[in-house]
Amino acid sequence: KAGVTQTPRYLIKTRGQQVTLSCSPISGHRSVSWYQQTPGQGLQFLFEYFSETQRNKGNFPGRFSGRQFSNSRSEMNVSTLELGDSALYLCASSPRQGGSTDTQYFGPGTRLTVL
Amino acid sequence: AQTVTQSQPEMSVQEAETVTLSCTYDTSESNYYLFWYKQPPSRQMILVIRQEAYKQQNATENRFSVNFQKAAKSFSLKISDSQLGDTAMYFCAFMKDNYGQNFVFGPGTRLSVLP
Repeated sequence: KAGVTQTPRYLIKTRGQQVTLSCSPISGHRSVSWYQQTPGQGLQFLFEYFSETQRNKGNFPGRFSGRQFSNSRSEMNVSTLELGDSALYLCASSPRQGGSTDTQYFGPGTRLTVL
Repeated sequence: AQTVTQSQPEMSVQEAETVTLSCTYDTSESNYYLFWYKQPPSRQMILVIRQEAYKQQNATENRFSVNFQKAAKSFSLKISDSQLGDTAMYFCAFMKDNYGQNFVFGPGTRLSVLP
């Protein structure tokens, strides 16, 4: 099976702009989670989508939003970009069937730089 | 809220030797999952090993094994016969239950395997 893919891999934006990141989960996986990784804050959970519904949300402002499509692909949007939004954004998918199948598999990430 | 602590920001080990990475966590939950992920330089995060809290037997995966002490809330990772390819950031992660597909990550331990 193909792994989790994220596009684009690198992105440069300026303050005030908005950005959309895309994630395609492993085939058959229904859950997609997003994380922000920065040197200062480490890895922080943004939100999780399952069957097109947001099931969990981390402690991030409303500028961060997402959605999931019927094919389980997910997009994450950040509006009114700030310098502090510069980070590696990781997407992870899981089957979400309970038991031993709940391991999350990560994509390579999108490196966002805000100038 | 759950917290995960990794008290060793950096470690090094000689090739072929054994190293143990520490992880402690704080939770009031009785059922949860613990994971170790590695993130090689400029590469994506991959799963090393996972442990279900209800299982008393420590998980092992080839050269990787854990020492899970539930009462002490400790979850250390032992790497035997260290290889140069083990050089990476290692993250300990906690997942509360099957409904919350959101990890709480520790700050990470940077492991360098020296030739």
